[in-house]
Amino acid sequence: EVQLLESGGDLVQPGGSLRLSCAVSGFTFRNYAMSWVRQAPGKGLEWVSSISASGAGTYYRDSVKGRFTISRDNSKDTLYLQMNSLRPEDTAVYYCAKWTPYSSGHYLGYWGQGTLVTVSS
Amino acid sequence: DIQMTQSPSSLSASVGDRVTITCRASQGISNHLAWFQQKPGKAPQPLIYGASSLQSGVPSKFSGSGSGTDFTLTISTLQPGDSATYYCQQYTSYPHTFGQGTKVEIK
Repeated sequence: EVQLLESGGDLVQPGGSLRLSCAVSGFTFRNYAMSWVRQAPGKGLEWVSSISASGAGTYYRDSVKGRFTISRDNSKDTLYLQMNSLRPEDTAVYYCAKWTPYSSGHYLGYWGQGTLVTVSS
Repeated sequence: DIQMTQSPSSLSASVGDRVTITCRASQGISNHLAWFQQKPGKAPQPLIYGASSLQSGVPSKFSGSGSGTDFTLTISTLQPGDSATYYCQQYTSYPHTFGQGTKVEIK
């Protein structure tokens, strides 16, 4: 059974840093691209970042470029999101998600339960 | 960036009704579109991928169609458990944008 378990969410002051982790099980982690998606309170879903299976390719939304870093440790079956220079607008539940390949692409086929990040003074 | 526009933003329908939600992309995305269902306090769950392929384990009352810029999600016979917010997402190019969501309520 595929499982994704996020951790690391917390209350942090503006300008602060936080590292989120997503521990996975039930599949061969090193073979799959992964993503982070967030959802601000009462708002819709927002793609944040993705990383290729090897970790060589990383992608970010413009509003987090230069502040957030996605990474993975394939020996530990864990995905990370290092968040620096946090802003109140980064307040959200952060979900990690696994890409599921099919014949002509791949989609977010499995999601964790999310971890809450609150940026406030 | 590709903008995804869903309509309506919300709807109220009766048990047994057929419900259709539309998603329009600001440029062509082939069939690189997924639909998700999200209930309050829960993670999104995939329903449809590749615009029309049903996720394993999802009831066949859910169906998707479309290609290029215009897509639809149809719930053939609405049940109380279908009360949720539904999102489309394009994954043809980064950023992988979501629609704003459609909240489905039961009358």
